[in-house]
Amino acid sequence: GQNIDQPTEMTATEGAIVQINCTYQTSGFNGLFWYQQHAGEAPTFLSYNVLDGLEEKGRFSSFLSRSKGYSYLLLKELQMKDSASYLCAVSGGSYIPTFGRGTSLIVHP
Amino acid sequence: DTGVSQDPRHKITKRGQNVTFRCDPISEHNRLYWYRQTLGQGPEFLTYFQNEAQLEKSRLLSDRFSAERPKGSFSTLEIQRTEQGDSAMYLCASSFSQTGELFFGEGSRLTVL
Repeated sequence: GQNIDQPTEMTATEGAIVQINCTYQTSGFNGLFWYQQHAGEAPTFLSYNVLDGLEEKGRFSSFLSRSKGYSYLLLKELQMKDSASYLCAVSGGSYIPTFGRGTSLIVHP
Repeated sequence: DTGVSQDPRHKITKRGQNVTFRCDPISEHNRLYWYRQTLGQGPEFLTYFQNEAQLEKSRLLSDRFSAERPKGSFSTLEIQRTEQGDSAMYLCASSFSQTGELFFGEGSRLTVL
């Protein structure tokens, strides 16, 4: 089975940097995804990590440590539109992504 | 538009009725997934198809739930004898490969009265 843990809610200030952590336990590992979901909308893909290290994509970066069962999503230069739920999803031995409950990020002026 | 489409977007039904949702994936994607999402939770896996073959079903999928993907194209998810606990957003997603990102549809929101 799989267990994925991420904080329920975080708040940050516009222009700041925020790090959203995700820890997981899984039997078999075939990658970790981060998705963004605005209220009432479908999740959209942000990043995919399968090897240890940092992947940078514009204002968003994602880090993975397989030995620690740990990932984080780093958002820089926060904008109001970044207020959303951020979902960590682990692809296990069967290549089926299992999602955490999501972290609701609130960006305030 | 070449994204994932779902129909209907909203369905209100009375307890005990049957409902069916349809998903049209991105045409070149051979993997299709169904997830269920309730407020404040992440998507929960229900089932997935590789082409027309249904390869895995979650324990969440009771015998009232059935899914099909005839000819490996669109898929349907049917819920028989709906219960109030079935009220949720039903999300369909497709991917090109087993390591590919999921592309989600807008979802079908079910309300069971």
